[in-house]
Parts: sequence; C-alpha cells; structure tokens
Amino acid sequence: SYEVTQPPSVSVSPGQTASITCSGDKLGDRSVCWFQQKPGQSPVLVIYQDIKRPSGIPERFSGSSSGNTATLTISGTQAMDEADYYCQAWDSSTSVVFGGGTKLTVL
Amino acid sequence: QVQLVESGGGVVQPGRSLRLSCAASGFTFRNYGMHWVRQAPGKGLEWVALIWYDGGKKVYADSVEGRFSISRDNSKNTLYLEMNSLRAEDAAIYFCATHVGGVPGGYLESWGRGTPVTLSS
Repeated sequence: SYEVTQPPSVSVSPGQTASITCSGDKLGDRSVCWFQQKPGQSPVLVIYQDIKRPSGIPERFSGSSSGNTATLTISGTQAMDEADYYCQAWDSSTSVVFGGGTKLTVL
Repeated sequence: QVQLVESGGGVVQPGRSLRLSCAASGFTFRNYGMHWVRQAPGKGLEWVALIWYDGGKKVYADSVEGRFSISRDNSKNTLYLEMNSLRAEDAAIYFCATHVGGVPGGYLESWGRGTPVTLSS
C-alpha cells in the first residue's frame, strides 16, 4: 500500500517561514491536501489539490508539490499556527492515506 | 454553514458492535460523498471509509474491511458507521467529513467534532 512520510516535528521562530514536507513515491503525480489540527479540535483543511487554499485560510499558508515531495509552507509564522499538520494523498483510485503528522512548534 | 454532528460513541467490550451516526445540516447532503476518519489517543489520523453521494459505492481501509460498514440515509441527512467485532485497536475518536470533488483527487472539506469509542472488558 502507498505511504506518505512526514517529519515528526518542526520548529520555527515567530515571523519566520516554516516548511513541512510530505514524501511518497511519485507524490507529485497525486493530489495532496494538508490539514491543521490543534489540541482537542477537529482537523481543518488548509491546502487542497496541492496548492489551493480554502476560503478563510490566511494567505501565509501555501502548498507545493513536485517529484516525490509535497511541501506546506507557512510564511510569517504566528504563535496561533502551532499545531499538528497532516498531509493526505490518495493511495489507490479510491483509498485515502494520511501522513503520520508533524508537530509544529513556534518558539 | 456546514454542520456535522457525530454521536453513538461510548464504552464497548471487545468483540461487540456499535453504530455511529453523523447528522448533517447546512448543505445538500445527498450531493456529497462522506468519509469516516479516526484518531486513536495521542496518534495520527487514520482514514476508515468513504461512501459515494448516492450510497452506490463504498470503500474501506484494510484495517476495517469486513468488520465495518458505512451507509447513509439521504432522507434523514445522516451518515452511519456500523462497527462489528470491535478490537482494542479500534479505540479512537471517530470523525465524519464531507468529500468534495472527484475520486481520486477530491478532498475532505468539513469535519465534525468526533465521537469517542472506548474499548474495555
């Protein structure tokens, strides 16, 4: 089965740029989404179809994907962005797979 | 706005059954595919199942195939997850989520708050 891999943790200073990667075989050929989840809350979609941002999501969130890696970039990271982030792709034509999640620490 | 409210979770013994529900409002439920996703305590997200907008097709994660059944009642705007032969590893918060777009390539747009399932003998 298909797998996508994320680093367990990423740290960033306030105001700096955070990059969270998601790796998988030929991931660039698949549609990737990103979710933000804060403690005790439901996941929130922040990027879909590699690069698109849902309404209400700040412009500092952006996505890219090429080759074997998709990346979520948060520019001008704020304390409120501290959360777990999950990438998601499609395993086969009908099954969904999530990455293991990355804990973003803003310090 | 979109509202998804899960219910039916609780404490259940291993080997027993449980049915979860997800009540939808604020959108045309019958036009959307729906997912169940779970999250074990302190762990990441795990996709469970997907049902097409009309219930005509259902797909499952390997970990629940043959034990869980996803269904929907479009007249009641409600999604279900029938869970049988429950195991310790099925303990999790169960979320329902809307599916937007095609399969594959679509995305899980809106999520409920989840309902917890605890396994205890």
